[in-house]
Amino acid sequence: NAGVMQNPRHLVRRRGQEARLRCSPMKGHSHVYWYRQLPEEGLKFMVYLQKENIIDESGMPKERFSAEFPKEGPSILRIQQVVRGDSAAYFCASSPTSPRTDTQYFGPGTRLTVL
Amino acid sequence: AQTVTQSQPEMSVQEAETVTLSCTYDTSESNYYLFWYKQPPSRQMILVIRQEAYKQQNATENRFSVNFQKAAKSFSLKISDSQLGDTAMYFCAFMNVYNQGGKLIFGQGTELSVKP
Repeated sequence: NAGVMQNPRHLVRRRGQEARLRCSPMKGHSHVYWYRQLPEEGLKFMVYLQKENIIDESGMPKERFSAEFPKEGPSILRIQQVVRGDSAAYFCASSPTSPRTDTQYFGPGTRLTVL
Repeated sequence: AQTVTQSQPEMSVQEAETVTLSCTYDTSESNYYLFWYKQPPSRQMILVIRQEAYKQQNATENRFSVNFQKAAKSFSLKISDSQLGDTAMYFCAFMNVYNQGGKLIFGQGTELSVKP
């Protein structure tokens, strides 16, 4: 059973461009979470999604950031008009059923660098 | 709001010795989960151990064990017989059981170096 997959592993964008980060959860997992890790800091929660639904987006910046988890295909975290402060590692995690009882398993992360 | 504090930014230990990493948290909830995750240089987040707050017995996983003090809101990780492969960043994390979103709240991390 493959783990959580994220691609690309490294992404370089210039200021003002769009960044699209992909996450494929473990097989059988229907809950996806996105976290951001700024340099020298712990992970910060961004958003929690189930298939076709955003459940909790309390950690998402109000502008430029969006996330989706369609019925088919991976979850996408989209950052429009990137700025240097968006440079960070973005981690996706998944769990099979209820987050209250299941452990979240993390992907390897996408390291975004904004020039 | 819940917070998680790791007061030791860096620690080192000799191979084969024992080391304890500290974590405290703040919450008004009575039921929650606590976790220790390991982040080696590869940056992959790996679950080390998990503790349910309603369980009084401390969780153990091979060389890893926790000292869970609910009243003191303390959740320390003990690594016995340290190995070079234990070198990593260690994060303590909290999850409120009643939180609809299953949000994990992480501490700032402790960088552990195991020396030969």
